[in-house]
Amino acid sequence: EPEVTQTPSHQVTQMGQEVILRCVPISNHLYFYWYRQILGQKVEFLVSFYNNEISEKSEIFDDQFSVERPDGSNFTLKIRSTKLEDSAMYFCASQGRATGELFFGEGSRLTVL
Amino acid sequence: KNEVEQSPQNLTAQEGEFITINCSYSVGISALHWLQQHPGGGIVSLFMLSSGKKKHGRLIATINIQEKHSSLHITASHPRDSAVYICAVRSTTGGGNKLTFGTGTQLKVEL
Repeated sequence: EPEVTQTPSHQVTQMGQEVILRCVPISNHLYFYWYRQILGQKVEFLVSFYNNEISEKSEIFDDQFSVERPDGSNFTLKIRSTKLEDSAMYFCASQGRATGELFFGEGSRLTVL
Repeated sequence: KNEVEQSPQNLTAQEGEFITINCSYSVGISALHWLQQHPGGGIVSLFMLSSGKKKHGRLIATINIQEKHSSLHITASHPRDSAVYICAVRSTTGGGNKLTFGTGTQLKVEL
């Protein structure tokens, strides 16, 4: 069964450091998402990406965040200067079409010290 | 008020019991998803619904668009069903395909 893969599974970083979380979506999918879940809280939308550009972003997704799809396969989330409150599980998801089923990765746990 | 409300928040059942988890939402939607989150944190999509009812194995999901309500049923529950079950909706307002999530229902099935 096709799957979305995410790396790293867990990253510990110091406050102020840059972090890149990587995702390999399902190969023929067109819509890509990043969500995050702070420990003990619900999952929140960060950003959606279609046709090589951001299609929607939340208030959380400020100038410290960026996404790109550098090589047509990987889909990355970069946090430029991490803050303590960025500690969370980050989920990548992909869809084959706008109304299609959503496939999630296993998540990348980010701990900011 | 949250756009997506789930009940109960926590549920403990004995193996073999029939389980129902409820989801109510306050916005117009184009689809509702039921998701399962494993203890390790990974999320798996169980169902995507826009109307009616779907069944997969021991899982059944129903939705009533007029009442803005959906239920997830588990028949003949088993300890391996223990997980967090999350309802998420794709709203018709504001465009876009993002999901808005409920807070989840923590299910524990005991022997």
